[in-house]
Amino acid sequence: QQQVKQSPQSLIVQKGGISIINCAYENTAFDYFPWYQQFPGKGPALLIAIRPDVSEKKEGRFTISFNKSAKQFSLHIMDSQPGDSATYFCAASRAGTASKLTFGTGTRLQVTL
Amino acid sequence: DVKVTQSSRYLVKRTGEKVFLECVQDMDHENMFWYRQDPGLGLRLIYFSYDVKMKEKGDIPEGYSVSREKKERFSLILESASTNQTSMYLCASSLRGVPGELFFGEGSRLTVL
Repeated sequence: QQQVKQSPQSLIVQKGGISIINCAYENTAFDYFPWYQQFPGKGPALLIAIRPDVSEKKEGRFTISFNKSAKQFSLHIMDSQPGDSATYFCAASRAGTASKLTFGTGTRLQVTL
Repeated sequence: DVKVTQSSRYLVKRTGEKVFLECVQDMDHENMFWYRQDPGLGLRLIYFSYDVKMKEKGDIPEGYSVSREKKERFSLILESASTNQTSMYLCASSLRGVPGELFFGEGSRLTVL
């Protein structure tokens, strides 16, 4: 049972382009939606997160867009750079479960020169 | 700098062997987690712990057990390793009351022959 569905599985973007990764969730009790970034040989690290009371959150070149009615959220990477090449995971958690996260299946992003 | 250390980066074991994966965090975090990472499946929660000597099953606990005798240490145990447990295992910790911000170790890649 996949509670958080992520797409695409892989993505190739040219340097300077916009990378977009989408996630959809089923459980309406989820109330915290983080994105994690993982480089090869490393563990995932928190990149940016959003709560459902806002529709967008921006940190530098990274933006989360959130659509509560559609139960979807997405990560946009503006002006993508080769250093952004990594695997990205969306995740969700619900109130009362502390940090217990349900992760998406991951998107492998490659930014080419 | 916060740190989650997984003692073994690479292990090769035989079917039926008992396997211990150790994880230590130096951040005085209450919560600790064991995830399994497989291509196309993302990160799946095996077990987690909110306090010393406390444990709860995650989404895929079958074939695994855990031990948390000290706050900083969380061990994953494979009582009788099987080939379908070949995977990357990730340990994480988080502070109680800070939802979704997990700090991950670099992972332990286990191969069961």
